[in-house]
Amino acid sequence: SAVISQKPSRDICQRGTSLTIQCQVDSQVTMMFWYRQQPGQSLTLIATANQGSEATYESGFVIDKFPISRPNLTFSTLTVSNMSPEDSSIYLCSVEDYRDNEQFFGPGTRLTVL
Amino acid sequence: KQEVTQIPAALSVPEGENLVLNCSFTDSAIYNLQWFRQDPGKGLTSLLLIQSSQREQTSGRLNASLDKSSGRSTLYIAASQPGDSATYLCAITQGGSEKLVFGKGMKLTVNP
Repeated sequence: SAVISQKPSRDICQRGTSLTIQCQVDSQVTMMFWYRQQPGQSLTLIATANQGSEATYESGFVIDKFPISRPNLTFSTLTVSNMSPEDSSIYLCSVEDYRDNEQFFGPGTRLTVL
Repeated sequence: KQEVTQIPAALSVPEGENLVLNCSFTDSAIYNLQWFRQDPGKGLTSLLLIQSSQREQTSGRLNASLDKSSGRSTLYIAASQPGDSATYLCAITQGGSEKLVFGKGMKLTVNP
């Protein structure tokens, strides 16, 4: 299974600022995914990030709010822009094992917006 | 639209019991079903993956079964331990998409 790390593990931010979350994988992967888990809720996919192409966003999520970079096959970033308290969530990245499509998740970034 | 349901939302049991966690889904045209556990404030740990052509998978004290025709999966936990306390989530992918559709999870508490 892939080993995934995220930075930061948690942060407390002020309204109107932006935070960039990093996701690092210990092996090369084609697809990386970013999910959001709002308090008391399950996970919702924000976008899929392929290396060398624009990220594909799910309904309800837009690039201006959640810009994503995927500069190589082991790394991706998600920025939460112009934050409001409603953005307080855990943000998780995941990758898929191409051999059997099993997905593995990073430890998550717990974001609190004041 | 695929919907995934996990009932009950929470379960509290004494240590040693054998447990059955339920997951149901509305569209039987699934590709994979995956069970995860999530410890408080943490990420997800993959427990078992069942591909659509399979009926069950086993790992240690865990056994997951899949019945696509009835839209159900169950996760069996044998001889539960306090360390099994966590939230358990099931999630599904459908053909043509790697997107995981999650249930809301079931919070399990195993009391010593």
